[in-house]
Amino acid sequence: AQSVTQLDSHVSVSEGTPVLLRCNYSSSYSPSLFWYVQHPNKGLQLLLKYTSAATLVKGINGFEAEFKKSETSFHLTKPSAHMSDAAEYFCVVGYEAGTALIFGKGTTLSVSS
Amino acid sequence: GAVVSQHPSWVICKSGTSVKIECRSLDFQATTMFWYRQFPKQSLMLMATSNEGSKATYEQGVEKDKFLINHASLTLSTLTVTSAHPEDSSFYICSARIIGTTLSYEQYFGPGTRLTVT
Repeated sequence: AQSVTQLDSHVSVSEGTPVLLRCNYSSSYSPSLFWYVQHPNKGLQLLLKYTSAATLVKGINGFEAEFKKSETSFHLTKPSAHMSDAAEYFCVVGYEAGTALIFGKGTTLSVSS
Repeated sequence: GAVVSQHPSWVICKSGTSVKIECRSLDFQATTMFWYRQFPKQSLMLMATSNEGSKATYEQGVEKDKFLINHASLTLSTLTVTSAHPEDSSFYICSARIIGTTLSYEQYFGPGTRLTVT
């Protein structure tokens, strides 16, 4: 079965330091990959998406992710964390057009001052 | 563009009653809508796939008689939780796929509905 794995359930960083949230997906010939953020008691906001164009994808709020087919990874990074980045982050994969997306279990990002 | 709304945003109901949640695509037509539920501090779990004009497809373990889904138009899908019980308390999120787009993987999510059953 197709799947997506977020390697860390919780990541803690200090404000101003880099953020790395890791995501691996099960191999497929043409996955679409997304990162969503969810703040407490809020809906999902799309951060960025990869759909077979450039492998380095830039998103909102300074986030970016790199699609690495050889490693089946799509890690999310940000050079400098901000307090407002504290939230739940979901790596999401689409394996077949029109079907439901597959969600990772999520990574909680905490940012301390 | 591509905005999905849900109504209500939160609801509290008594055990045994039914609750209807609406999911609307405001500025596009959606042939397919998806319903998810999310328990506290957990990921989203797909409940069912709703196609306009046909019966919904439910995921394994989801009771179709308890979670009634209707997708009567290209902009509206409803989820009715029948005879709700406290264990149905959850955050329900819908998403919609844009019709006729090459970005057919992409879905747009509603803001969610917090259901609390007392």
